[in-house]
Amino acid sequence: DAMVIQNPRYQVTQFGKPVTLSCSQTLNHNVMYWYQQKSSQAPKLLFHYYDKDFNNEADTPDNFQSRRPNTSFCFLDIRSPGLGDAAMYLCATSKGQAAGTRQFFGPGTRLTVL
Amino acid sequence: ELKVEQNPLFLSMQEGKNYTIYCNYSTTSDRLYWYRQDPGKSLESLFVLLSNGAVKQEGRLMASLDTKARLSTLHITAAVHDLSATYFCAVDETSGSRLTFGEGTQLTVNP
Repeated sequence: DAMVIQNPRYQVTQFGKPVTLSCSQTLNHNVMYWYQQKSSQAPKLLFHYYDKDFNNEADTPDNFQSRRPNTSFCFLDIRSPGLGDAAMYLCATSKGQAAGTRQFFGPGTRLTVL
Repeated sequence: ELKVEQNPLFLSMQEGKNYTIYCNYSTTSDRLYWYRQDPGKSLESLFVLLSNGAVKQEGRLMASLDTKARLSTLHITAAVHDLSATYFCAVDETSGSRLTFGEGTQLTVNP
């Protein structure tokens, strides 16, 4: 089945220790998104790739970076995680960005920062 | 800045009852999405509403959009326990499919 896969599902890191979250997709979608969702809050868009073009949200901290080496994979790098970065990180994909395009979400990676 | 507000934020209802969740947004947009999220899980797309007056129905859920009032509703008919989840509306105000989510409505359906 075509799907969005995130690894790992649970990640524990130490304060200040870099961490990388992975997202892969078999949908062949050209747009990939990263969202941060803190406990009991709405998902918040961090950035997205349209093909190879990177689009950062204005209020995304510099501590968050992303890489997309090919169509199928996208990585979220947190350079120096703080306690406030503990959250669920959701990857989503879409085929283009025309009006009404659905985003398909992966299962998420829950990040704990000790 | 686009604001998306849902109410109520928490809803406890009995099985068999009807209720409506409201989603208000602050900009002109005719692209409104509803998602469902189960505890600890990801988001599942429910409805995409793309024009004023749009109405979509799936099972016991019906969503509508009034772009003039900047309001979408998610109506639940004869609720069942399986509908217990958090429901998010999201608005896309640009052509770039960048979603701004509401705070979510946590629905609990009691037997």
